Amino acid sequence: DQQVKQNSPSLSVQEGRISILNCDYTNSMFDYFLWYKKYPAEGPTFLISISSIKDKNEDGRFTVFLNKSAKHLSLHIVPSQPGDSAVYFCAASADNAGNNRKLIWGLGTSLAVNP
Amino acid sequence: NAGVMQNPRHLVRRRGQEARLRCSPMKGHSHVYWYRQLPEEGLKFMVYLQKENIIDESGMPKERFSAEFPKEGPSILRIQQVVRGDSAAYFCASSPPVSGSYEQYFGPGTRLTVT
Repeated sequence: DQQVKQNSPSLSVQEGRISILNCDYTNSMFDYFLWYKKYPAEGPTFLISISSIKDKNEDGRFTVFLNKSAKHLSLHIVPSQPGDSAVYFCAASADNAGNNRKLIWGLGTSLAVNP
Repeated sequence: NAGVMQNPRHLVRRRGQEARLRCSPMKGHSHVYWYRQLPEEGLKFMVYLQKENIIDESGMPKERFSAEFPKEGPSILRIQQVVRGDSAAYFCASSPPVSGSYEQYFGPGTRLTVT
């Protein structure tokens, strides 16, 4: 049962344009959402996060939008750069006992930014 | 401030041998999570530890797998009598003890190959 879904396995965007990566979740107990970027043979790198009490968080070229009623979030990258080419993972966590914030992951979207 | 360190980066074991994976969290971080990424899949939570305590091991296979995070030294993920299906990338992440900060920071991973 995939609680966090990234339905687009891949996305191709021109340099300078906007990249929009989408993520859906099913568990209404999730209250914190994170985006990670991953290169082959490396660990995930934290990008940006959002709490469920917000609907938008911005950090430089990266903005995350959260629509709680639709159980949907998206990551916008603008302008996209070739160095953004990587696999992007959406992850979610809930408030579990013992300060346990284990992450539940989507399967990732492979972004290719073309020069 | 050094990041999360994992060693070895690559580990080759024959079926039936033991694998030991080490993780040193970031300085000041007392929470450690282990995740596994099987080929062509997303990351899956395995276990969450605080110093000297296993808080959540719901993602660990019932047999052959164990984890510890001693008072001194790195966290260890141990796999006994490895099988080919254990071949995967194993990632360790750490987070600070402060409530409200839910980002996890990942090491580069250990790629286990069972021959």
